[in-house]
Amino acid sequence: DQQVKQNSPSLSVQEGRISILNCDYTNSMFDYFLWYKKYPAEGPTFLISISSIKDKNEDGRFTVFLNKSAKHLSLHIVPSQPGDSAVYFCAASVLGDYKLSFGAGTTVTVRA
Amino acid sequence: EAGVTQFPSHSVIEKGQTVTLRCDPISGHDNLYWYRRVMGKEIKFLLHFVKESKQDESGMPNNRFLAERTGGTYSTLKVQPAELEDSGVYFCASSLQGAAGANVLTFGAGSRLTVL
Repeated sequence: DQQVKQNSPSLSVQEGRISILNCDYTNSMFDYFLWYKKYPAEGPTFLISISSIKDKNEDGRFTVFLNKSAKHLSLHIVPSQPGDSAVYFCAASVLGDYKLSFGAGTTVTVRA
Repeated sequence: EAGVTQFPSHSVIEKGQTVTLRCDPISGHDNLYWYRRVMGKEIKFLLHFVKESKQDESGMPNNRFLAERTGGTYSTLKVQPAELEDSGVYFCASSLQGAAGANVLTFGAGSRLTVL
């Protein structure tokens, strides 16, 4: 039973434009959400997180938005750069439970 | 600071054989996790160690998989006998015990297992 879903397997965006990645979850107990970025032949690396008490968290070019009522979060990257080309994973957990539930990932390609 | 190290990076074995994957977590990280990604799907939780104790092994697929963490340092994941559906990338991750943002895991590069 997949509790975190990323319905867009891929996204292509022009350099300098905004990338918007979406993620939906089904478990209402989730209260901590993370985005990880993965380059080929490397492990996922932590990018940004948000707890359920917030609806927005920003770190430089990366902003995560959380809509608890819709059980939806999104990651905005602006402006997109060629180095942002990677697979992005959405993950969720219950605070106090160290286990993460991941989505299937979205492959982002930033075109020059 | 050295990251999470996994060995081997890629293993090709035949169905029925045994494979042992090794993970060296970041020094001082009490929490160690194993995850698996199969065929471009989601990254799935396998199990969680706190030091040498198995905290949660609810994600282990079946009894062909055996994970150990002797002495609370490195961990091994053995698959015996391997089946075709075991093919995938096995990721190890670690985190500090009780630290702020403890859900933030540091992952290794993964061990790709191909079962023929």
